[in-house]
Amino acid sequence: DAKTTQPNSMESNEEEPVHLPCNHSTISGTDYIHWYRQLPSQGPEYVIHGLTSNVNNRMASLAIAEDRKSSTLILHRATLRDAAVYYCIPRPYNQGGKLIFGQGTELSVKP
Amino acid sequence: DTEVTQTPKHLVMGMTNKKSLKCEQHMGHRAMYWYKQKAKKPPELMFVYSYEKLSINESVPSRFSPECPNSSLLNLHLHALQPEDSALYLCASSQRGVSYEQYFGPGTRLTVT
Repeated sequence: DAKTTQPNSMESNEEEPVHLPCNHSTISGTDYIHWYRQLPSQGPEYVIHGLTSNVNNRMASLAIAEDRKSSTLILHRATLRDAAVYYCIPRPYNQGGKLIFGQGTELSVKP
Repeated sequence: DTEVTQTPKHLVMGMTNKKSLKCEQHMGHRAMYWYKQKAKKPPELMFVYSYEKLSINESVPSRFSPECPNSSLLNLHLHALQPEDSALYLCASSQRGVSYEQYFGPGTRLTVT
């Protein structure tokens, strides 16, 4: 399984953009990069995923480095509801689709 | 309906009890998962079911026994647990394949006394 490195914690101000980095230098060419988040007292929630190209959805954008060894989750305007632990997860195609969670980044948002 | 439901929300059991956790989804997903999450730690995968068959067991002790009676239901039978098994137990489901997202339930908070 590819190992990931994320900052333990980050802080943001409300309504400002947030860039959450993730290093996954051992990722293989067929691993999708998934991001999930877990709000306090809730189960994890899917945010976004991609393979090679940058991706956008209603929640966030995902920027993937050209060599795929790192990626950045971008929240365009942080809200208080975005305070959560964010997990970056390389997902191997040949391991039954399992998700292996790393330590994640705890994002706090200040009003 | 994109919801995964789990019952009960909370469970307290003694070390000699037998209990079961239940998970249900009606999204037509054919992959279902059990995760265990200790406080302040990330979720850890326990079991994966694909088309109602157990496909992955992450070396989980036999006191945890999963069951998938049909494509919508997933159970986790608990017997002779230890206090260190106290945790949040999360169920998830997805379409099969790595490009699909997993939908998680809210979890069952288990306390073993």
